[in-house]
Amino acid sequence: SYELTQPPSVSVSPGQTARITCSGDALPKEFSYWYQQKPGQAPILVMYKDSERPSGIPERFSGSSSGTTATLTITGVQAEDEADYYCQSAGTTTTYKVFGGGTKLTVL
Amino acid sequence: QVQLVQSGPEVKKPGASVKVACKTSGYTFTSHGFSWVRQAPGQGLEWMGWISGYNGHTVSPQKFQGRVTLTSETSTATAYLELRSLRSDDTATYYCARDNGQWLVDPWGQGTLVTVTS
Repeated sequence: SYELTQPPSVSVSPGQTARITCSGDALPKEFSYWYQQKPGQAPILVMYKDSERPSGIPERFSGSSSGTTATLTITGVQAEDEADYYCQSAGTTTTYKVFGGGTKLTVL
Repeated sequence: QVQLVQSGPEVKKPGASVKVACKTSGYTFTSHGFSWVRQAPGQGLEWMGWISGYNGHTVSPQKFQGRVTLTSETSTATAYLELRSLRSDDTATYYCARDNGQWLVDPWGQGTLVTVTS
């Protein structure tokens, strides 16, 4: 199937590590991509091809993928990282896009 | 710098149509396709379809087939989304974004709020 499942919420204290997962049967053969969206703003890309970080994204953001689960990790979370995070992968072809339901990261 | 500037908010009645524009600048229009993504209030992102910036070829998920038309105009570097037979659950912010065939490239458009209400 081409569905992606994310936990609705993750909460961490500043300085801790946040891990946001994305599960989908297509992930063993398709890359994952991650977007960060802050209130009232358009999403921005924070990770591509599972573990590649775009220029301008802090090094505390990292990504990995194993089997049917992709993970976005934020090491040393800062208050400014509080946002919604969405994973994305391909559908029936790479032109088709599928988004996960999103995870709200709360920094306590 | 690359910019995607979308048309302004719309209020429509059920059954009507809406056409959202995404005017681009700062790059070669035909070098990327475009995806359209919508977000209902308080909800997640939903991909609506893709159009090639090169030849206008389109794909869209079955959910929107028959109701969505994606077009582009190279002369004005503008992409368009038309959604017909609007329903209240089409109320959402609609985003355009360049699509390199794998992911959606920053920056996205600023979003266009479409409100469907009687």
